[in-house]
Amino acid sequence: DTGVSQDPRHKITKRGQNVTFRCDPISEHNRLYWYRQTLGQGPEFLTYFQNEAQLEKSRLLSDRFSAERPKGSFSTLEIQRTEQGDSAMYLCASSFSSGIRTDTQYFGPGTRLTVL
Amino acid sequence: DAKTTQPNSMESNEEEPVHLPCNHSTISGTDYIHWYRQLPSQGPEYVIHGLTSNVNNRMASLAIAEDRKSSTLILHRATLRDAAVYYCILRAGNQFYFGTGTSLTVIP
Repeated sequence: DTGVSQDPRHKITKRGQNVTFRCDPISEHNRLYWYRQTLGQGPEFLTYFQNEAQLEKSRLLSDRFSAERPKGSFSTLEIQRTEQGDSAMYLCASSFSSGIRTDTQYFGPGTRLTVL
Repeated sequence: DAKTTQPNSMESNEEEPVHLPCNHSTISGTDYIHWYRQLPSQGPEYVIHGLTSNVNNRMASLAIAEDRKSSTLILHRATLRDAAVYYCILRAGNQFYFGTGTSLTVIP
């Protein structure tokens, strides 16, 4: 399967610990997005990359959150000093955009974070 | 933020057509309308998108009102596998704005 993959699928951590999630996009997709989804809500945009450049960040992305996409391939999302309010599903999506028309995002299965 | 309004839930009988409405009265001229669906414990899946004209693909049809302030996703024959949460999304620039979606129940 050559779809978007995320690792781990589930993560349980204690409050105050740091966690890191990984996303592997569909190869040759130049855009990569991170979303957060809480129970009963739709996904909320966090940030996106065009190749290795992080071009946009939501105000939801506090300074405890950092995302990287070295070499424009896989991406990591790190949360420092986790809080119980960080418990959510973290979704990654990738797309190919030539900049002319809108692009279709392909989502991974998500990483479910539980902060105790 | 670009906002959409959808009914919280809808039901349909299997093999009958389903019309899922969405209001987006604040849409701007360059906003694309996207529909995604999400099955339990999975990431959202692309269904269809459009700008001004009605669109058809193998999964569904998208009917866009002339003033673009509303749209309707049409599933021509609902199957049990179509039971999911359907999101009507406005794409503004590089951000997708999801709402809470419509939970579709398909009755056998």
